[in-house]
Amino acid sequence: DVKVTQSSRYLVKRTGEKVFLECVQDMDHENMFWYRQDPGLGLRLIYFSYDVKMKEKGDIPEGYSVSREKKERFSLILESASTNQTSMYLCASSFVNMNTEAFFGQGTRLTVV
Amino acid sequence: AQKVTQAQTEISVVEKEDVTLDCVYETRDTTYYLFWYKQPPSGELVFLIRRNSFDEQNEISGRYSWNFQKSTSSFNFTITASQVVDSAVYFCALSEADAGNMLTFGGGTRLMVKP
Repeated sequence: DVKVTQSSRYLVKRTGEKVFLECVQDMDHENMFWYRQDPGLGLRLIYFSYDVKMKEKGDIPEGYSVSREKKERFSLILESASTNQTSMYLCASSFVNMNTEAFFGQGTRLTVV
Repeated sequence: AQKVTQAQTEISVVEKEDVTLDCVYETRDTTYYLFWYKQPPSGELVFLIRRNSFDEQNEISGRYSWNFQKSTSSFNFTITASQVVDSAVYFCALSEADAGNMLTFGGGTRLMVKP
């Protein structure tokens, strides 16, 4: 079974803190993604990576950065957390071929106070 | 630019009723893929189906069926004889050939099936 594991289910952070969300996949997928899920807005792409050390901005990259030093790990970084970044964050991975489905982690619910 | 619209934000049905979830998409590409995912209360999105733009054949899998119509840019999902376990948020998504397997999601439809 494909496994995409996110390091935390729930996080509470203070405004201004630097926050790291970690994601690991075990299926040797080339692509990894970070999405943000908000009610009524569906999932919006923050960043994706198609290879180690490669990254591309998604639809809403402002306030975020990413790191992919190893193929299996993709980190999302909130440089200075703000209350409007309170959300559910979902990591996903897939093979590079567009006809394959993406597999998702269980999500991290981040609250910034 | 690609876009996916799920006009129904919430649907409530009684068990054993049939229910259809609507999905309308926009794309300029001739080659693209459409997906449906289910998000149960546990939070993890579960893949249900994938369809490519050249295959308009409808598909049935048990109580689930999908109707893909390019003429109306729609990819609707029907659950027959709904069950309480079908209660979840359902997402329709689109991937374009030029977009590197990036998925664009609709806003989701929350389905509540009451006993």
